Amino acid sequence: DTAVSQTPKYLVTQMGNDKSIKCEQNLGHDTMYWYKQDSKKFLKIMFSYNNKELIINETVPNRFSPKSPDKAHLNLHINSLELGDSAVYFCASSQAGGWSDTQYFGPGTRLTVL
Amino acid sequence: QKEVEQNSGPLSVPEGAIASLNCTYSDRGSQSFFWYRQYSGKSPELIMSIYSNGDKEDGRFTAQLNKASQYVSLLIRDSQPSDSATYLCAVNIRFYGGSQGNLIFGKGTKLSVKP
Repeated sequence: DTAVSQTPKYLVTQMGNDKSIKCEQNLGHDTMYWYKQDSKKFLKIMFSYNNKELIINETVPNRFSPKSPDKAHLNLHINSLELGDSAVYFCASSQAGGWSDTQYFGPGTRLTVL
Repeated sequence: QKEVEQNSGPLSVPEGAIASLNCTYSDRGSQSFFWYRQYSGKSPELIMSIYSNGDKEDGRFTAQLNKASQYVSLLIRDSQPSDSATYLCAVNIRFYGGSQGNLIFGKGTKLSVKP
């Protein structure tokens, strides 16, 4: 069974479009995350979220928004896509989001904006 | 600006040798430290975690932490070609005023193990 899954695996779209990436975890974890990995392979946190708290990396444009229908899902919505949004987006989850928790990553979604 | 620094490499070692990967971090309040391995086109997977000063061994892997020097390292003994990957150092910090920890990653060191 896949622990953290993402759909789609690949996403190709035009500038200006709005798109969503879905993430689901079946680990029973309370905290989920979104990361962006750019062309230079730098992995940078965008959001962390549990039932109580959304932490937003202040460098993330407000065109990006996480939405969580329940604690097993954290979707990423992106409005008005730009060329610079092209990257691999990883979802991750951890037990409670504590300082010692291990984060488990999904397979990634490669977004290409044309 | 909280940062995690790694040499980008590539680090090339012969099969059977010891590979040594290094990482420094800027936040003295950091409490937990992780090494992730990422194969090309794949997602990061946890290799080791370490929370206390000293060494922690797991099979061929040893993580070393020195909080006074803000330094963490990963040693891979008897390196195999299958160890060829990018190794990401990650540090858990209290992030942007939030109550929970989040991970800051270094840019990774690309390791190549030659047969």
